[in-house]
Amino acid sequence: GQSLEQPSEVTAVEGAIVQINCTYQTSGFYGLSWYQQHDGGAPTFLSYNALDGLEETGRFSSFLSRSDSYGYLLLQELQMKDSASYFCAVLMRGGGNKLTFGTGTQLKVEL
Amino acid sequence: DVKVTQSSRYLVKRTGEKVFLECVQDMDHENMFWYRQDPGLGLRLIYFSYDVKMKEKGDIPEGYSVSREKKERFSLILESASTNQTSMYLCASSSTPDTDYEQYFGPGTRLTVT
Repeated sequence: GQSLEQPSEVTAVEGAIVQINCTYQTSGFYGLSWYQQHDGGAPTFLSYNALDGLEETGRFSSFLSRSDSYGYLLLQELQMKDSASYFCAVLMRGGGNKLTFGTGTQLKVEL
Repeated sequence: DVKVTQSSRYLVKRTGEKVFLECVQDMDHENMFWYRQDPGLGLRLIYFSYDVKMKEKGDIPEGYSVSREKKERFSLILESASTNQTSMYLCASSSTPDTDYEQYFGPGTRLTVT
């Protein structure tokens, strides 16, 4: 089966840069996605990497290396509102556009 | 804006009851999903559907069934609720990966089985 590993918790200060890693053991997937979930809220889509390399969307960037079975989400200029859980997920080939999620990383941003 | 709605935010049921969780999406998406979310375990796929009346098992289908009679509606059924099904249940929908990689989630239903 597929598995995606993330650190359970990361703490950083406001204004800093933080990287959340995702290592996976799976194959045959379209790409790697990242989702953000605030406490009590629904997961919301942040980014998608179909190809190896860096994708940048404002303060957030995401990276994928298929040869290393590794990806990361990079958050710059951290703000208090970035405190949330972050999930990586692989978009699986086959019918249904199915995602397999990692266990999630809780990011705490401190003053 | 894509909207995915779920029938209840909070639900309390007794062991052995039959439970229906409803999900509706308004974007004409082909694919719909049911997940459960538990602390430390992330989101785990229970069932998904890629077309009306079509369904496929996800990673943890035991104890659950689903129904998709109309494109916009996907129901999760707990035939006989048990305490280990106490969890947050999230519904999501998506289009095809050729056009859109995103899954759109509903607000979730927190189910407690006593």
